[in-house]
Amino acid sequence: DAGVTQSPTHLIKTRGQQVTLRCSPKSGHDTVSWYQQALGQGPQFIFQYYEEEERQRGNFPDRFSGHQFPNYSSELNVNALLLGDSALYLCASSLGPGGETQYFGPGTRLLVL
Amino acid sequence: GDSVTQMEGPVTLSEEAFLTINCTYTATGYPSLFWYVQYPGEGLQLLLKATKADDKGSNKGFEATYRKETTSFHLEKGSVQVSDSAVYFCASTSGSARQLTFGSGTQLTVLP
Repeated sequence: DAGVTQSPTHLIKTRGQQVTLRCSPKSGHDTVSWYQQALGQGPQFIFQYYEEEERQRGNFPDRFSGHQFPNYSSELNVNALLLGDSALYLCASSLGPGGETQYFGPGTRLLVL
Repeated sequence: GDSVTQMEGPVTLSEEAFLTINCTYTATGYPSLFWYVQYPGEGLQLLLKATKADDKGSNKGFEATYRKETTSFHLEKGSVQVSDSAVYFCASTSGSARQLTFGSGTQLTVLP
Protein backbone atom coordinates (compact mmCIF):
# COMPACT_ATOMS: atom_id res chain seq x y z
CA ASP A 1 0.00 0.00 0.00
CA ALA A 2 1.75 3.14 -1.24
CA GLY A 3 1.82 5.95 1.24
CA VAL A 4 1.97 9.67 0.52
CA THR A 5 4.97 10.61 -1.58
CA GLN A 6 6.47 14.04 -2.18
CA SER A 7 9.12 15.42 -4.48
CA PRO A 8 11.69 16.79 -4.38
CA THR A 9 13.01 16.05 -0.89
CA HIS A 10 15.12 19.18 -0.74
CA LEU A 11 15.21 22.39 -2.73
CA ILE A 12 17.28 25.57 -2.65
CA LYS A 13 15.98 28.75 -4.30
CA THR A 14 16.78 32.44 -4.20
CA ARG A 15 14.47 35.30 -3.29
CA GLY A 16 12.02 36.22 -6.02
CA GLN A 17 12.10 32.84 -7.71
CA GLN A 18 9.17 30.49 -8.12
CA VAL A 19 8.96 26.89 -6.90
CA THR A 20 6.69 23.89 -7.56
CA LEU A 21 6.35 21.03 -5.11
CA ARG A 22 4.61 17.76 -5.91
CA CYS A 23 2.56 15.25 -3.95
CA SER A 24 0.97 11.89 -4.68
CA PRO A 25 -1.69 10.83 -2.18
CA LYS A 26 -1.97 7.53 -0.39
CA SER A 27 -3.58 4.84 -2.51
CA GLY A 28 -7.36 5.22 -2.44
CA HIS A 29 -7.32 8.80 -1.18
CA ASP A 30 -8.79 11.65 -3.21
CA THR A 31 -8.14 14.74 -1.08
CA VAL A 32 -4.85 16.55 -0.60
CA SER A 33 -3.98 19.17 1.98
CA TRP A 34 -0.78 21.20 2.17
CA TYR A 35 0.91 22.45 5.33
CA GLN A 36 3.91 24.67 6.02
CA GLN A 37 6.13 23.81 8.98
CA ALA A 38 8.65 26.45 9.96
CA LEU A 39 11.65 25.34 11.99
CA GLY A 40 10.67 24.52 15.57
CA GLN A 41 6.96 25.12 14.94
CA GLY A 42 3.87 23.04 14.32
CA PRO A 43 2.56 22.74 10.77
CA GLN A 44 0.16 25.40 9.49
CA PHE A 45 -2.62 24.67 7.01
CA ILE A 46 -2.18 26.24 3.58
CA PHE A 47 -5.07 24.80 1.55
CA GLN A 48 -6.96 21.67 0.60
CA TYR A 49 -7.83 20.27 -2.83
CA TYR A 50 -10.70 17.97 -3.69
CA GLU A 51 -12.22 17.24 -7.09
CA GLU A 52 -9.51 19.42 -8.63
CA GLU A 53 -10.71 22.51 -6.76
CA GLU A 54 -9.42 24.44 -3.77
CA ARG A 55 -11.96 23.81 -1.03
CA GLN A 56 -10.50 25.60 1.96
CA ARG A 57 -7.61 27.97 2.47
CA GLY A 58 -5.61 28.97 5.50
CA ASN A 59 -4.07 32.35 6.20
CA PHE A 60 -1.57 32.38 3.33
CA PRO A 61 -1.13 35.01 0.60
CA ASP A 62 -2.05 34.51 -3.04
CA ARG A 63 1.60 33.80 -3.81
CA PHE A 64 0.73 30.30 -2.66
CA SER A 65 -1.34 28.45 -5.21
CA GLY A 66 -2.06 24.87 -6.04
CA HIS A 67 -3.50 22.40 -8.43
CA GLN A 68 -4.97 18.94 -8.30
CA PHE A 69 -4.87 16.55 -11.23
CA PRO A 70 -7.43 13.94 -12.29
CA ASN A 71 -5.29 11.20 -10.70
CA TYR A 72 -5.60 13.11 -7.36
CA SER A 73 -1.94 14.14 -7.25
CA SER A 74 -1.28 17.76 -6.41
CA GLU A 75 1.17 20.60 -6.84
CA LEU A 76 1.95 23.52 -4.57
CA ASN A 77 3.34 26.62 -6.28
CA VAL A 78 4.94 29.52 -4.50
CA ASN A 79 5.75 32.70 -6.45
CA ALA A 80 8.07 35.57 -5.56
CA LEU A 81 9.81 33.59 -2.85
CA LEU A 82 10.71 35.33 0.40
CA LEU A 83 13.30 34.30 2.95
CA GLY A 84 10.43 33.53 5.32
CA ASP A 85 9.11 30.88 2.96
CA SER A 86 11.97 28.62 4.04
CA ALA A 87 10.25 25.67 5.71
CA LEU A 88 9.28 22.03 5.49
CA TYR A 89 6.24 21.67 3.22
CA LEU A 90 4.07 18.73 4.10
CA CYS A 91 1.41 17.11 1.99
CA ALA A 92 -1.37 15.09 3.62
CA SER A 93 -4.03 12.96 2.02
CA SER A 94 -7.42 11.77 3.19
CA LEU A 95 -10.50 10.03 1.89
CA GLY A 96 -12.93 12.81 1.08
CA PRO A 97 -12.71 16.45 2.19
CA GLY A 98 -14.22 15.60 5.53
CA GLY A 99 -12.01 12.56 6.02
CA GLU A 100 -11.24 12.22 9.69
CA THR A 101 -7.66 11.11 9.36
CA GLN A 102 -4.92 12.72 7.30
CA TYR A 103 -1.77 10.83 6.41
CA PHE A 104 1.38 12.82 5.83
CA GLY A 105 4.23 12.50 3.38
CA PRO A 106 7.90 12.96 4.30
CA GLY A 107 7.87 16.61 3.22
CA THR A 108 9.92 18.86 0.97
CA ARG A 109 12.46 21.04 2.71
CA LEU A 110 12.71 24.42 0.95
CA LEU A 111 15.54 26.82 1.64
CA VAL A 112 15.29 30.34 0.24
CA LEU A 113 18.54 32.30 0.11
CA GLY B 1 -10.21 30.84 16.06
CA ASP B 2 -9.31 27.30 16.97
CA SER B 3 -6.04 26.71 18.80
CA VAL B 4 -4.05 23.95 20.46
CA THR B 5 -1.68 24.51 23.37
CA GLN B 6 0.98 21.99 24.34
CA MET B 7 3.21 21.92 27.38
CA GLU B 8 6.54 23.62 26.92
CA GLY B 9 9.48 21.41 26.05
CA PRO B 10 11.93 19.93 25.77
CA VAL B 11 11.22 16.94 27.99
CA THR B 12 14.05 14.63 29.02
CA LEU B 13 13.32 11.30 30.71
CA SER B 14 15.19 8.15 31.63
CA GLU B 15 14.21 4.88 29.98
CA GLU B 16 11.18 3.24 31.62
CA ALA B 17 9.97 6.53 33.14
CA PHE B 18 6.33 7.65 32.95
CA LEU B 19 5.48 10.21 30.29
CA THR B 20 2.79 12.88 30.26
CA ILE B 21 2.58 15.60 27.62
CA ASN B 22 -0.25 18.04 28.26
CA CYS B 23 -2.47 19.33 25.49
CA THR B 24 -5.49 21.62 25.65
CA TYR B 25 -7.62 22.93 22.81
CA THR B 26 -10.13 25.61 22.00
CA ALA B 27 -12.54 24.86 19.19
CA THR B 28 -16.01 25.54 17.91
CA GLY B 29 -18.16 22.55 17.23
CA TYR B 30 -16.97 19.04 17.87
CA PRO B 31 -13.36 18.55 16.83
CA SER B 32 -11.53 15.28 16.52
CA LEU B 33 -8.22 15.18 18.36
CA PHE B 34 -4.91 13.66 17.30
CA TRP B 35 -1.37 13.05 18.39
CA TYR B 36 1.25 12.95 15.66
CA VAL B 37 4.93 12.07 16.08
CA GLN B 38 7.82 13.41 14.02
CA TYR B 39 11.20 11.69 14.01
CA PRO B 40 14.28 13.70 12.96
CA GLY B 41 14.24 14.59 9.28
CA GLU B 42 10.89 12.95 8.64
CA GLY B 43 7.25 13.88 8.13
CA LEU B 44 4.44 13.36 10.61
CA GLN B 45 3.17 9.94 11.62
CA LEU B 46 -0.25 9.49 13.15
CA LEU B 47 0.17 8.11 16.66
CA LEU B 48 -3.43 8.01 17.90
CA LYS B 49 -6.76 9.76 17.63
CA ALA B 50 -10.13 10.24 19.33
CA THR B 51 -13.24 11.48 17.60
CA LYS B 52 -15.66 12.22 20.44
CA ALA B 53 -15.78 13.02 24.13
CA ASP B 54 -14.56 10.29 26.50
CA ASP B 55 -12.99 8.30 23.65
CA LYS B 56 -9.55 6.91 24.42
CA GLY B 57 -7.03 6.62 21.62
CA SER B 58 -4.15 4.19 22.05
CA ASN B 59 -1.21 2.89 20.05
CA LYS B 60 2.25 1.46 20.83
CA GLY B 61 1.70 1.91 24.57
CA PHE B 62 0.66 5.56 24.23
CA GLU B 63 -2.80 6.66 25.37
CA ALA B 64 -4.85 9.86 25.38
CA THR B 65 -8.43 10.50 26.47
CA TYR B 66 -10.69 13.16 24.93
CA ARG B 67 -11.89 15.25 27.90
CA LYS B 68 -14.52 17.72 26.79
CA GLU B 69 -15.08 19.16 30.28
CA THR B 70 -11.43 20.19 30.57
CA THR B 71 -10.85 20.57 26.78
CA SER B 72 -7.80 18.37 27.10
CA PHE B 73 -6.15 15.46 25.31
CA HIS B 74 -3.04 14.63 27.36
CA LEU B 75 -0.63 12.02 25.99
CA GLU B 76 0.64 9.34 28.39
CA LYS B 77 2.90 6.31 28.29
CA GLY B 78 3.73 4.14 31.23
CA SER B 79 7.30 3.23 30.31
CA VAL B 80 9.18 5.16 27.63
CA GLN B 81 11.96 3.74 25.49
CA VAL B 82 14.94 5.40 23.83
CA SER B 83 13.20 4.82 20.49
CA ASP B 84 10.34 7.10 21.62
CA SER B 85 12.64 10.12 21.32
CA ALA B 86 10.92 12.45 18.83
CA VAL B 87 8.76 15.56 18.59
CA TYR B 88 5.11 15.06 19.52
CA PHE B 89 2.33 17.25 18.14
CA CYS B 90 -1.20 17.54 19.41
CA ALA B 91 -3.78 18.58 16.81
CA SER B 92 -7.49 19.21 16.38
CA THR B 93 -9.70 19.33 13.30
CA SER B 94 -11.86 22.24 12.29
CA GLY B 95 -13.83 23.60 9.38
CA SER B 96 -15.57 21.83 6.55
CA ALA B 97 -12.22 20.63 5.25
CA ARG B 98 -11.38 19.21 8.68
CA GLN B 99 -8.03 20.92 8.46
CA LEU B 100 -5.64 20.27 11.30
CA THR B 101 -4.65 22.91 13.83
CA PHE B 102 -1.40 21.91 15.52
CA GLY B 103 0.27 22.76 18.78
CA SER B 104 3.88 23.92 18.73
CA GLY B 105 5.23 20.45 19.47
CA THR B 106 7.06 18.90 22.42
CA GLN B 107 10.55 17.50 21.98
CA LEU B 108 11.00 14.28 23.96
CA THR B 109 14.43 12.82 24.63
CA VAL B 110 14.70 9.47 26.40
CA LEU B 111 18.09 8.59 27.86
CA PRO B 112 19.28 4.99 28.35
